[in-house]
Amino acid sequence: AQKVTQAQTEISVVEKEDVTLDCVYETRDTTYYLFWYKQPPSGELVFLIRRNSFDEQNEISGRYSWNFQKSTSSFNFTITASQVVDSAVYFCALSEFDNNDMRFGAGTRLTVKP
Amino acid sequence: NAGVTQTPKFRVLKTGQSMTLLCAQDMNHEYMYWYRQDPGMGLRLIHYSVGEGTTAKGEVPDGYNVSRLKKQNFLLGLESAAPSQTSVYFCASRKPGVRDEQYFGPGTRLTVT
Repeated sequence: AQKVTQAQTEISVVEKEDVTLDCVYETRDTTYYLFWYKQPPSGELVFLIRRNSFDEQNEISGRYSWNFQKSTSSFNFTITASQVVDSAVYFCALSEFDNNDMRFGAGTRLTVKP
Repeated sequence: NAGVTQTPKFRVLKTGQSMTLLCAQDMNHEYMYWYRQDPGMGLRLIHYSVGEGTTAKGEVPDGYNVSRLKKQNFLLGLESAAPSQTSVYFCASRKPGVRDEQYFGPGTRLTVT
């Protein structure tokens, strides 16, 4: 079965620092999907990005960027010039072929201090 | 357009009691999901449905039942609640497409004493 590992349980940075959240995945499928979700203190889950296994292009969205490397089975997330509002738990997730059975990592709690 | 809603928001049960959590979506999505989130862990899939009248087991289905009688509703039942089922429960729906994301409800915090 598929598995997602987020080795960083908690990260604390000072505002304006750059921070990278690591995500390593395991799957036997050649077709799969990777996701990042944000869970702010209010508790809701906010979709950030979806990437399929055939698209290794890195993506940038404002201060957010994602680095997908199939060779190392990693899908890392970088926040540039972090802000206090970025404080949240971030989850990486993986779903295989039919995109129904999504497996989440344990999450990384990011605290950005002013 | 309310998106995904969950009822109730909070509930306290005694061991052995039963209850049903309701998830409703107004986006006409075919796919719906129930997850649980425990402290220090990510979400784990309990059951899901790919359409009205169909359900399937996820990663942690034991102790739960589900029904999808109407496309917009997905019910999660606990027949005999146990303390191990104390958790936050999230419902989600999905419509395949470019983003193919799951839209999550606000969650239900359930405590079993």
